[in-house]
Amino acid sequence: DAMVIQNPRYQVTQFGKPVTLSCSQTLNHNVMYWYQQKSSQAPKLLFHYYDKDFNNEADTPDNFQSRRPNTSFCFLDIRSPGLGDAAMYLCATSRGLAGGPRYNEQFFGPGTRLTVL
Amino acid sequence: GNSVTQMEGPVTLSEEAFLTINCTYTATGYPSLFWYVQYPGEGLQLLLKATKADDKGSNKGFEATYRKETTSFHLEKGSVQVSDSAVYFCAQDLFGGYQKVTFGTGTKLQVIP
Repeated sequence: DAMVIQNPRYQVTQFGKPVTLSCSQTLNHNVMYWYQQKSSQAPKLLFHYYDKDFNNEADTPDNFQSRRPNTSFCFLDIRSPGLGDAAMYLCATSRGLAGGPRYNEQFFGPGTRLTVL
Repeated sequence: GNSVTQMEGPVTLSEEAFLTINCTYTATGYPSLFWYVQYPGEGLQLLLKATKADDKGSNKGFEATYRKETTSFHLEKGSVQVSDSAVYFCAQDLFGGYQKVTFGTGTKLQVIP
């Protein structure tokens, strides 16, 4: 089945120790997103890639970076995790709108829960 | 600015009760509106959508109607089940070459037998 896969599902890191979260998709979608979701809050968009074009949200801290080496994979790098970065990180994809209908559903992965000790 | 406001939870209902979760939006222009559901330990799934005024989205017994005059998109279900226990997010899109979705804060629903 086509899907969005996130690895690992649970990640524990130490304060200040870099960590990378992984997302892959078999949907061949143009757009990949990373969201941060803290407990009992709405998902907050960090950034997205439209193909190879990177789009950062204005309030995303510099501590968060992303890479998209190919269509299928996208990585979230947290350079120096702080206690406040503990959250669920959600990856999502969508087809993109070039030449298509206005609406495109976002497909979410199961998320990676990050704990910072 | 563009935002989504939904009723706070948690909402606790008995099985077979009627469900309403209120959602209102503010937007410049005419957004598409969505309800997403998040089951425990999982990512978000699209539950239903409506792309223009007076559209009714429906899925799995859930319904919501896009009301431009009241800027609302309330979620309803006539008879909830224990398996409906989850967090429900109302959302709107901001058209800009891609689907940037703005989510409400979520409403936790607990259905008890």
